[in-house]
Formats: sequence, structure tokens, C-alpha cells
Amino acid sequence: GEDVEQSLFLSVREGDSSVINCTYTDSSSTYLYWYKQEPGAGLQLLTYIFSNMDMKQDQRLTVLLNKKDKHLSLRIADTQTGDSAIYFCAESPPNFGNEKLTFGTGTRLTIIP
Amino acid sequence: DAGITQSPRHKVTETGTPVTLRCHQTENHRYMYWYRQDPGHGLRLIHYSYGVKDTDKGEVSDGYSVSRSKTEDFLLTLESATSSQTSVYFCAIMTASTDTQYFGPGTRLTVL
Repeated sequence: GEDVEQSLFLSVREGDSSVINCTYTDSSSTYLYWYKQEPGAGLQLLTYIFSNMDMKQDQRLTVLLNKKDKHLSLRIADTQTGDSAIYFCAESPPNFGNEKLTFGTGTRLTIIP
Repeated sequence: DAGITQSPRHKVTETGTPVTLRCHQTENHRYMYWYRQDPGHGLRLIHYSYGVKDTDKGEVSDGYSVSRSKTEDFLLTLESATSSQTSVYFCAIMTASTDTQYFGPGTRLTVL
């Protein structure tokens, strides 16, 4: 079955870049997603990448996908206090299309002033 | 926010009582989901629906049932709540245009 792994915690100084990593086991996944969850709120879709892409950039966010190593990362440039949140990666297994997602455990990003 | 609301937002109940959580959407999306979020587990799928009266189980469906009699409402029922069902419950929809899931604000359920 699918298993998505993330580190639980990451601390970064304000203004530095944050890199949040994720590994997955299903190399046939079609889409990979990053969600952000602020305290007391639901999950907010940040970005997603199709499996035939290596990189996707959207303003301060850069997603890198290494299919060979089954590794996904989210880089946040110029990290701000508002970036403090839990970040979840998720994959959509090919046998279910995008109808089902498998989520990682989430990485709690803490910003150090 | 894709027009998703959940009710109640908070509930405290006792072991053995029935509980129903409601998810309501205003944009006619076909797919709806119920997840639970627990520390160290991320989000786990309980049940999902792919149309009115069409539902299927997720990975943690034991102890839960769902119903979808209208497109806009997806109900999650705990027939006899247990302390292990203390969790935060999220509803989600999937948009047909982008094939991505969007989440409601969550319901925090405490079973004493």
C-alpha cells in the first residue's frame, strides 16, 4: 500500500528558505500535492505537481519532484511568520485517479524571529 | 473555501451516544469525503461519496457510517461513540475542473 513520510518538525529563521521534504512509495502516483494547515483551520491547497514534471514554481513556492528517488520537496523562499503552519504532502494513487489521496503525517514549520 | 461548511464545529459527547456530523457544500460537487486527523497520523480517509446514495469505505471506516441523500449534504454518523473516535473531522470536496480536494473548517469531537 501507499505510505507517505515526512519529518514532523522544522524550524527556520525568518527570511531564510524553508525546505520541507516528503517521500512516497507509489512511483505511479499521478499527482502530488502540498497543503497548508494553520492553527484551528482546515487544510488549504498550496500547490500540486503532475508526475511528469520535475519542478513547479509559484511565487515564493518551488516544488521539486524526483521520481527516481520518490522524493518531493516544497521550498518556501524568504520565509515569513505567516508561513508558520503544518504542511502536508499527499499523493493520488493511479488506481484511484484523483478520487483518493494519501496524506503524510505533516511537518510543523516554526519560524524563528 | 469552495463553499464548504461543517456543523457542529465543536462537540463533546459521552461514550455510547450516537453522533452525526454534517458537511454542506453549495457548489454541486460530485465527490465528497470525510477524514479524521490525529497527531502522528496525518489525515486518514473514513468514507467518501461519488454521488447521491453512492458511498464507499476509506481506510478507517470501522465504527462510522455515512449517508448522502442530497448532492449538497454528506453526513457522518458514529452509531455509538467511543473515546478512540475523539479527533478532528474534516470534510472535503473534489472539484471536477481541477481534480483537487478542498477542505472544510473541521469539527472537533471529544468523546468522554
